[in-house]
Amino acid sequence: DQQVKQNSPSLSVQEGRISILNCDYTNSMFDYFLWYKKYPAEGPTFLISISSIKDKNEDGRFTVFLNKSAKHLSLHIVPSQPGDSAVYFCAASEAYSNYQLIWGAGTKLIIKP
Amino acid sequence: NAGVTQTPKFRVLKTGQSMTLLCAQDMNHEYMYWYRQDPGMGLRLIHYSVGEGTTAKGEVPDGYNVSRLKKQNFLLGLESAAPSQTSVYFCASRSRGPDTQYFGPGTRLTVL
Repeated sequence: DQQVKQNSPSLSVQEGRISILNCDYTNSMFDYFLWYKKYPAEGPTFLISISSIKDKNEDGRFTVFLNKSAKHLSLHIVPSQPGDSAVYFCAASEAYSNYQLIWGAGTKLIIKP
Repeated sequence: NAGVTQTPKFRVLKTGQSMTLLCAQDMNHEYMYWYRQDPGMGLRLIHYSVGEGTTAKGEVPDGYNVSRLKKQNFLLGLESAAPSQTSVYFCASRSRGPDTQYFGPGTRLTVL
């Protein structure tokens, strides 16, 4: 049973436009959510996070939105740049499990010039 | 400051052979993790450690063993490799609380 789902395996976006990556979860106990970015042949790198007490967190071109009632979060990248082409993973954790991360399968983002 | 390093980067094994993957971190982190990543899937936790001398099973521990004799090192062992263990293995570490995990570059393992 997948607790964290990224239903889009890939997404193609024009350079300069907004990229929106989505993530759904089933466990209402999750209280911390993260987005990681991964380039080929490298380990994932942390991008942005959000606590369940917030509904939005911004960091430069990246904004994460959390809708707890829908158990849904999204990552917005504005404007999209060629260097944003990568696989993006959504992950969730809860204090009860000592913040072990449960990962989605990832979405491959392709930014077209 | 190297962060998280993994040795080796690549390895090819024959079925039944054994090997050890080494993870080292220089951030004085308490928690360390071993994941595997397979095509089309998210990272799956194999084993983890919450401190020196402690280890615990994750989601997919079968066929693997770990040890954390020193705080900075976390070893992942395959006693008798199987083709199903062909994967990319990532090590990660973090400090206490809901902090982010920092990842190594990965080890690509192929078992023939």
